[in-house]
Amino acid sequence: EAQVTQNPRYLITVTGKKLTVTCSQNMNHEYMSWYRQDPGLGLRQIYYSMNVEVTDKGDVPEGYKVSRKEKRNFPLILESPSPNQTSLYFCASTSLAGVVDTQYFGPGTRLTVL
Amino acid sequence: QQQVKQSPQSLIVQKGGISIINCAYENTAFDYFPWYQQFPGKGPALLIAIRPDVSEKKEGRFTISFNKSAKQFSLHIMDSQPGDSATYFCAASNSGATNKLIFGTGTLLAVQP
Repeated sequence: EAQVTQNPRYLITVTGKKLTVTCSQNMNHEYMSWYRQDPGLGLRQIYYSMNVEVTDKGDVPEGYKVSRKEKRNFPLILESPSPNQTSLYFCASTSLAGVVDTQYFGPGTRLTVL
Repeated sequence: QQQVKQSPQSLIVQKGGISIINCAYENTAFDYFPWYQQFPGKGPALLIAIRPDVSEKKEGRFTISFNKSAKQFSLHIMDSQPGDSATYFCAASNSGATNKLIFGTGTLLAVQP
C-alpha cells in the first residue's frame, strides 16, 4: 500500500528540548515536503526536497531543519522548539516523473511546545 | 502574488443540496489547481484537480469550474451527503518550478441530515 508515515503522531514537549519528527514514504518519490497547518492559515510549506541531499526553504523555515540522506526519509528537526511552533505538521511526497500532480500526505503530527 | 484566497470559511448545507466553495489566485504562473479533503485527525487527501487548459472537470458528484481570465476556480459538490462533512482546501502550484502547493485557508463544510 502506497503511504506516507509520520512519527510520532502526538508530541508534547518543553521549550528548548530538541526533537525530530520522522517521515517516510514507500513510493520511491523524489519530492518530499513538510507543511504546518494552523487555524485560519491553511497549510504552509516549511521545507522541501527535490531529491537526496537536495533541500530548500519553503515559506516558513525559521526554527526548523531538515535532512534528506535517503530517498524514502525526510525528517523534520526542531533544534530549540518554542511555543509558536505548536502546530499540526504534515509530510507529503510526490513523483517528479512525467506530469506532476498528486501529493500524498501523511497522517500528521500534532506538536505542543510548552 | 503567492496567495490563494478561499471562501467561505464555513458552510452549512442540507443533505441533497449543492455545496459551492470558491478560490481566487493572483499568480498567472500557476498551472495546477487541486482540491483536498481533510477529515478530523487525517491528512489532506486529493479530491479532484484541474489544469488551465480546461474550464471544467467532473468526477462523480464533485466538479471543478475554472475561469482562467478571472483567475478563479470553484468546487461544486452535488447531492451533498453527511459523509462529505470535512474541511476542504483549494491549492495552486507551478508544477514546472518547485511543486510547492499554495493552500487556501480552508472551508469547514457541514452537511446536515
